[in-house]
Amino acid sequence: GEDVEQSLFLSVREGDSSVINCTYTDSSSTYLYWYKQEPGAGLQLLTYIFSNMDMKQDQRLTVLLNKKDKHLSLRIADTQTGDSAIYFCAESNNNDMRFGAGTRLTVKP
Amino acid sequence: NAGVTQTPKFQVLKTGQSMTLQCAQDMNHNSMYWYRQDPGMGLRLIYYSASEGTTDKGEVPNGYNVSRLNKREFSLRLESAAPSQTSVYFCASSVGQDSKAFFGQGTRLTVV
Repeated sequence: GEDVEQSLFLSVREGDSSVINCTYTDSSSTYLYWYKQEPGAGLQLLTYIFSNMDMKQDQRLTVLLNKKDKHLSLRIADTQTGDSAIYFCAESNNNDMRFGAGTRLTVKP
Repeated sequence: NAGVTQTPKFQVLKTGQSMTLQCAQDMNHNSMYWYRQDPGMGLRLIYYSASEGTTDKGEVPNGYNVSRLNKREFSLRLESAAPSQTSVYFCASSVGQDSKAFFGQGTRLTVV
């Protein structure tokens, strides 16, 4: 079946850039998402990108999409301790939505 | 490894009908969640249950009720379905509220 994969852990120092990578297999994906899960009740949508876009930038966040390679990345510039969380990649088409397993980002002072 | 199981996978309702979406997890998780996902909007939390015996409203609880039947099961009920509730519904669970969430496959609900 279709799949979304991402590494499980990433550790960076405060002030550095973080890059979280994700690969997916569904060539019919229309939206790709990044969610942040902090301690608490639910997920927070960080950003999303249409499948016909290559890049989207929103303040410290940059999303890059390589549709040919089915590779999505999230770059966080000037990473802060408050960015420590679990980040989920997800993709959807008209029928379905699939999540990666989540990458736990740890930011060290 | 079943993980989080949702039923049904697809459902079509008429306006005003009621139904219950079922969710069960076999990971002995304490916390369970119901989300809805609409195109371009991302997930929105409907209700959650931090532990067995407790439930709390999320971001969009209106029109829904939930029951944490036991530690394994967390159901979502629509008493009188409306077209605005057409969405894909995801159940999730986690060990605790600061732990990674695991998702079900989703239920696509259409209200006509």
